[in-house]
Amino acid sequence: NAGVTQTPKFQVLKTGQSMTLQCAQDMNHEYMSWYRQDPGMGLRLIHYSVGAGITDQGEVPNGYNVSRSTTEDFPLRLLSAAPSQTSVYFCASSRTPRQGSTDTQYFGPGTRLTVL
Amino acid sequence: AQSVAQPEDQVNVAEGNPLTVKCTYSVSGNPYLFWYVQYPNRGLQFLLKYITGDNLVKGSYGFEAEFNKSQTSFHLKKPSALVSDSALYFCAVRDIVGNSGNTPLVFGKGTRLSVIA
Repeated sequence: NAGVTQTPKFQVLKTGQSMTLQCAQDMNHEYMSWYRQDPGMGLRLIHYSVGAGITDQGEVPNGYNVSRSTTEDFPLRLLSAAPSQTSVYFCASSRTPRQGSTDTQYFGPGTRLTVL
Repeated sequence: AQSVAQPEDQVNVAEGNPLTVKCTYSVSGNPYLFWYVQYPNRGLQFLLKYITGDNLVKGSYGFEAEFNKSQTSFHLKKPSALVSDSALYFCAVRDIVGNSGNTPLVFGKGTRLSVIA
């Protein structure tokens, strides 16, 4: 069991570039989410998904897109990177009540993104 | 919408002394409450959770937390702190309204715990 994996670990972008942060889990979790962590701000929810084909916005969704075509993968796309998106990004997954949820979220190791 | 407050940015405690990291929450339904810990340059690790049942919840590494519905609090405690407990601690809440568990997990801003030898 690899758990939750994220790639890349580090990335530097120029303003206006686009990229996709990858997240995958091998625990058959229906619930997946993306957070960004900034100093003094804690973890803020960007987008989440309760199953394949279903996504919803979190607290700070602007500038980010997601899709969920499979249970395993939940990529986060930055369409036109801005310096304000410099942050550490964490992906997390958990079961849902339909799966007999324990509600415990499992986190990936994070992606450190710098936008110049 | 649910929210979590961690009123202390930093908590300092001497090794061997008891520690408390405070957390209060706001929900419209019933709360599922969690504590996570983050060590430097690492992801978040689950410590403990309250779903239902006993108000005192025991978790990993000797930590425990007490759910207090009247005070809407879920403070993290440990009887005797270790230097290795120094880390960033996050409280989180999920608002369970009706039978839906598909609401997102919302985190507090975190409290940095420093245990001094």
